Amino acid sequence: DQQVKQNSPSLSVQEGRISILNCDYTNSMFGYFLWYKKYPAEGPTFLISISSIKDKNEDGRFTVFLNKSAKHLSLHIVPSQPGDSAVYFCAASAYRNNNDMRFGAGTRLTVKP
Amino acid sequence: IAGITQAPTSQILAAGRRMTLRCTQDMRHNAMYWYRQDLGLGLRLIHYSNTAGTTGKGEVPDGYSVSRANTDDFPLTLASAVPSQTSVYFCASSETPTVWPQHFGDGTRLSIL
Repeated sequence: DQQVKQNSPSLSVQEGRISILNCDYTNSMFGYFLWYKKYPAEGPTFLISISSIKDKNEDGRFTVFLNKSAKHLSLHIVPSQPGDSAVYFCAASAYRNNNDMRFGAGTRLTVKP
Repeated sequence: IAGITQAPTSQILAAGRRMTLRCTQDMRHNAMYWYRQDLGLGLRLIHYSNTAGTTGKGEVPDGYSVSRANTDDFPLTLASAVPSQTSVYFCASSETPTVWPQHFGDGTRLSIL
């Protein structure tokens, strides 16, 4: 039973445009959300997080939006760069504890020059 | 460079054999984790250790065992490998179970024939 879903396995955008990666969750107890980025043959690296007391968190070109009523979050990358090409994982936790972190299946982003 | 080292990088193993995946971190993190990554399923937690001397079961622990004799090392053992354990295995660590982010190793690609 996947509690965190990334329904788009892949996304392709042009360099300089906006990339929007989506994530849906089913567990209303989730209160902490993270995005990780993964390059081939490397482990995931942390990108950005948001807690349920906020609806937006920004870090440079990366912004995460949280819509609690829809149980939906999205990661916006503006402007997209070829180096952003990677797999992006959405993750969620109910108790701010890594032991109960649940990950989505990932979305492969390709940014074309 | 500080981080997590996993060994081997990849392995092909006959079903029924015993295999230990090694994980060492040099960041003096208290918490460590083992995940498996499967296509379409994302990362799933196998076992975790909140501090040296303690371990706990994650989402998919069956068929795996771990030990945490010291802070730095967290080996994962498959006592009798089965084909369904074919996966990419990631070791991760964090300062404590409630501190983000988790830092991941580069993974071990394991194929069970």
